[in-house]
Amino acid sequence: EAQVTQNPRYLITVTGKKLTVTCSQNMNHEYMSWYRQDPGLGLRQIYYSMNVEVTDKGDVPEGYKVSRKEKRNFPLILESPSPNQTSLYFCASSPLQGSSYNEQFFGPGTRLTVL
Amino acid sequence: DAKTTQPNSMESNEEEPVHLPCNHSTISGTDYIHWYRQLPSQGPEYVIHGLTSNVNNRMASLAIAEDRKSSTLILHRATLRDAAVYYCILRLGAGTASKLTFGTGTRLQVTL
Repeated sequence: EAQVTQNPRYLITVTGKKLTVTCSQNMNHEYMSWYRQDPGLGLRQIYYSMNVEVTDKGDVPEGYKVSRKEKRNFPLILESPSPNQTSLYFCASSPLQGSSYNEQFFGPGTRLTVL
Repeated sequence: DAKTTQPNSMESNEEEPVHLPCNHSTISGTDYIHWYRQLPSQGPEYVIHGLTSNVNNRMASLAIAEDRKSSTLILHRATLRDAAVYYCILRLGAGTASKLTFGTGTRLQVTL
């Protein structure tokens, strides 16, 4: 089944403790992206990647890092999480060409709480 | 980014058609109109997109005004499973992936 998976789905952590949220897709998509969703603010893009080893900042990149060493994986790294990073995070992917290039596929979300 | 305006919420009865409006008066000639929806406790999912002509797919229809300053997503027979937040998004260009700028969307309630 074509899908985007995220792990963990739920995470409670404390301020300053480094964490990684993994994202993996099995559709051979070039484009991958991370969003965060907060009440009243909608989804905002954190980082995106157009292909392996190509990443760029989105609208709210502060406090986050990403890497794209393999095409299928796009982990989101919080080196020193703070309470304002408590949010619902979504990973998404899409092809850069072909019949479905307009469609982004989203993962199920990771709910992160930073105490 | 060009902005879209949607009603905060709408209600519909099951098995009746639903028309979800979206205003985008500052749309540019290269902006595509995309619709996504987010079911409870899930990630957003693509519904439909178009540029100038009306579009149909298995999920919905998209009616685009002649001046492109507004559009309407049409669910032909709403079911309980269609209860979700629907987002109307303007996306630049075609041929390359680009970010989706989500607003707050329209929360659709479907009742029996």
